[in-house]
Amino acid sequence: QVQLVESGGGLVKPGGSLRLSCAASGFSLSDYYMSWIRQAPGKGLEWIANIRSEVDYTDYADFVKGRFTISRDKTKNSLFLQMTGLRAEDTAVYYCAREGITVAGALDYWGQGALVTVSS
Amino acid sequence: DIQMTQSPSAVSASVGDRVTITCRASQAINSWLAWYQQKPGKAPKLLIYAASTLQRGVPSRFSGSGFGTHFTLTISSLQPEDFATYYCQQTDKFPRTFGLGTKLEIK
Repeated sequence: QVQLVESGGGLVKPGGSLRLSCAASGFSLSDYYMSWIRQAPGKGLEWIANIRSEVDYTDYADFVKGRFTISRDKTKNSLFLQMTGLRAEDTAVYYCAREGITVAGALDYWGQGALVTVSS
Repeated sequence: DIQMTQSPSAVSASVGDRVTITCRASQAINSWLAWYQQKPGKAPKLLIYAASTLQRGVPSRFSGSGFGTHFTLTISSLQPEDFATYYCQQTDKFPRTFGLGTKLEIK
């Protein structure tokens, strides 16, 4: 069955870097658009970034452009989010999610989330 | 970027009530709209895509409608497990954007 499992979250100082991973199983990551979404404590969902199927074309929300990079490793069937220049306001649970092919671009599978805390 | 405005931000209702949540897009998105349900400490769950198509496994008391800029999510007869936060998301253009959410609470 389809499963997404995030890892790599933790505590990091302001200005620091962190790399999140999302291991996919039950499907091939390269066949789907994949996204990262985050949720600050007590707040709503924020879409962060997307990488398209087959080609490595990426899109980002303005508030992470130039700081975050989405990528994937097809051999490991894994998605990544490299985060640099972290700020306190980046503190959130980070989810990876799949844009389903038959669901008009909606996110049909989500990981359990990885908590990133940016604090000195 | 397309802004998504949800209303109300919170609503109190009782089991058996009918509830409608509204989502408006800042520009026309045809039917490129999804609805999600999120419970505390859990990842969101897809309920509806393409504005009105129920994701498999979602109870038929959930329904969606709308086109262009105005969309609604209706729960016809609230069940105890429906008390959660609901989000709309436009899937027309990048960057994808979510509404701020509607918290459905027990009255």
